[in-house]
Amino acid sequence: NAGVTQTPKFRVLKTGQSMTLLCAQDMNHEYMYWYRQDPGMGLRLIHYSVGEGTTAKGEVPDGYNVSRLKKQNFLLGLESAAPSQTSVYFCASSYPGGVGNEQFFGPGTRLTVL
Amino acid sequence: AQSVSQHNHHVILSEAASLELGCNYSYGGTVNLFWYVQYPGQHLQLLLKYFSGDPLVKGIKGFEAEFIKSKFSFNLRKPSVQWSDTAEYFCAVRSSARQLTFGSGTQLTVLP
Repeated sequence: NAGVTQTPKFRVLKTGQSMTLLCAQDMNHEYMYWYRQDPGMGLRLIHYSVGEGTTAKGEVPDGYNVSRLKKQNFLLGLESAAPSQTSVYFCASSYPGGVGNEQFFGPGTRLTVL
Repeated sequence: AQSVSQHNHHVILSEAASLELGCNYSYGGTVNLFWYVQYPGQHLQLLLKYFSGDPLVKGIKGFEAEFIKSKFSFNLRKPSVQWSDTAEYFCAVRSSARQLTFGSGTQLTVLP
């Protein structure tokens, strides 16, 4: 099993450009998450999904959109990138149920917005 | 809103020294607590977790953590660190059935 994979690994954008980050998992997990990681701030939840066709806002959703058209994929979109979105983005997935269930993380995407 | 505090931002130790990283959370209900580790250039991996039972939890690579409900703490410990433990460590609390709230992380550097 590949676990959680993310593409691309690195990307440089100019202000105002758009892009989509792809997350894929082969563990048949119901829940998927997008986080951003910034120095000194840990991981902050952007959006998450509890199943195919459903999404919800996390702590820092502004400037991002997501879609979960297939259970195994969770896409994160930036419609008009801003320098404040320079960050490392992590995708994660987990089983439903909540209690004690860990999240499995992808390798991350390093995004720089100039 | 739930929050997680990791007061040590950067810890530097020599090999064989003992380690304790602090984690405090603010949440009055039933908690599930986690420690994740991120080795340089790698993704986050679960070290250990607590959701019920024995408050002393043992994880991988010789790490353990103790849940002290009265202090709202879940400190991570290791009796003797190795150079390979150099990494960033994140404490997290399950803030709902669907979400984790992470602390800001502690960078551990172990000198050979």
